[in-house]
Amino acid sequence: GNSVTQMEGPVTLSEEAFLTINCTYTATGYPSLFWYVQYPGEGLQLLLKATKADDKGSNKGFEATYRKETTSFHLEKGSVQVSDSAVYFCALSGETSGTYKYIFGTGTRLKVLA
Amino acid sequence: EAQVTQNPRYLITVTGKKLTVTCSQNMNHEYMSWYRQDPGLGLRQIYYSMNVEVTDKGDVPEGYKVSRKEKRNFPLILESPSPNQTSLYFCASSLRAGANVLTFGAGSRLTVL
Repeated sequence: GNSVTQMEGPVTLSEEAFLTINCTYTATGYPSLFWYVQYPGEGLQLLLKATKADDKGSNKGFEATYRKETTSFHLEKGSVQVSDSAVYFCALSGETSGTYKYIFGTGTRLKVLA
Repeated sequence: EAQVTQNPRYLITVTGKKLTVTCSQNMNHEYMSWYRQDPGLGLRQIYYSMNVEVTDKGDVPEGYKVSRKEKRNFPLILESPSPNQTSLYFCASSLRAGANVLTFGAGSRLTVL
């Protein structure tokens, strides 16, 4: 079945450092890919998405490119801020056994130090 | 404001005492879903609904029930809660399943003693 694997955290960075959070997936067909972010005490909210191969999603300085050849959707940001401290979830939405399902990774906690 | 509203936000209960966590959305979304979040396990889907009167099991449905009698509401029912159902629960909705973005509620933290 479909699955998502993302790097384990926590990830601790200094402010202005470069961020990469790895995400790979297994899916049949052509899933849509998402990154969601969860700030402390809140629900998840969409950070960015890509719906087909080679699409690049971007938002708030974060980027991720849908790579079908490597089945990856790595999240990157050139210069992190303290306010980026949160848990990041990679997710896919795809058809499984005739119905669409969302599958989430286990989440990666990011802590940015001033 | 477009939103998903869950209640209660926090609840402490005892084993075997039936409880319901309500979920309501005001966006006319067809798709609704419940997840539980546990440390190290990420989000796991409990039940989902593609539309009114259509519900299906997710990955961890045991011990839970749902209903979808109206488009806007999707309550989660724990008939006889047990301590292993202590968790953080999220309701989410989207226009339809597929490429649509999920909108999440703020979460309901449940403790079963």
